Amino acid sequence: DAMVIQNPRYQVTQFGKPVTLSCSQTLNHNVMYWYQQKSSQAPKLLFHYYDKDFNNEADTPDNFQSRRPNTSFCFLDIRSPGLGDAAMYLCATSRAGGYEQYFGPGTRLTVT
Amino acid sequence: ELKVEQNPLFLSMQEGKNYTIYCNYSTTSDRLYWYRQDPGKSLESLFVLLSNGAVKQEGRLMASLDTKARLSTLHITAAVHDLSATYFCAVAPYGGATNKLIFGTGTLLAVQP
Repeated sequence: DAMVIQNPRYQVTQFGKPVTLSCSQTLNHNVMYWYQQKSSQAPKLLFHYYDKDFNNEADTPDNFQSRRPNTSFCFLDIRSPGLGDAAMYLCATSRAGGYEQYFGPGTRLTVT
Repeated sequence: ELKVEQNPLFLSMQEGKNYTIYCNYSTTSDRLYWYRQDPGKSLESLFVLLSNGAVKQEGRLMASLDTKARLSTLHITAAVHDLSATYFCAVAPYGGATNKLIFGTGTLLAVQP
């Protein structure tokens, strides 16, 4: 059974048009992460939630926001996507204090 | 500046051969991860190494960790085509309750018949 689910799997948006990516989990983990992976690059952490506490990475652009309305769901909002935001967006979860990190299948974002 | 470097970046090898991928990191970390990624797919966890001298093996892959040298290796034995993928190492240098991962540059492995 799927443990970390991302929707949609593929998203096409227009330059400047806000877009939201969704992540849900059935593991009841209290930490959720968003990574951005551009083509032929390594994944890069954007931010994470520890319970309801939001933790932004210093170099994450303001254009990227996140919401976590409950334990199971976390959203990534891109307020005004640029061509440079085209990437695979990976959601992951972990249990606080645990070592394993569980990745979702990813959402491939295309910006036209 | 925190760096996680892998070498080689690209590895073309023949089936049946052995090879090693190296992962060097510049800060202390109490855990080291290896992931596999197929084209267009997400990350698949291979190993989590938690202590100095840790060694883990799964099939044709074996990973080891030397925390003093800040070095991890991923050894491939008798490669087969199905192992073709990109391999990433990652460290969690901040410790604590969360696993904020810093990924290495990745190694693209192509196993030729």
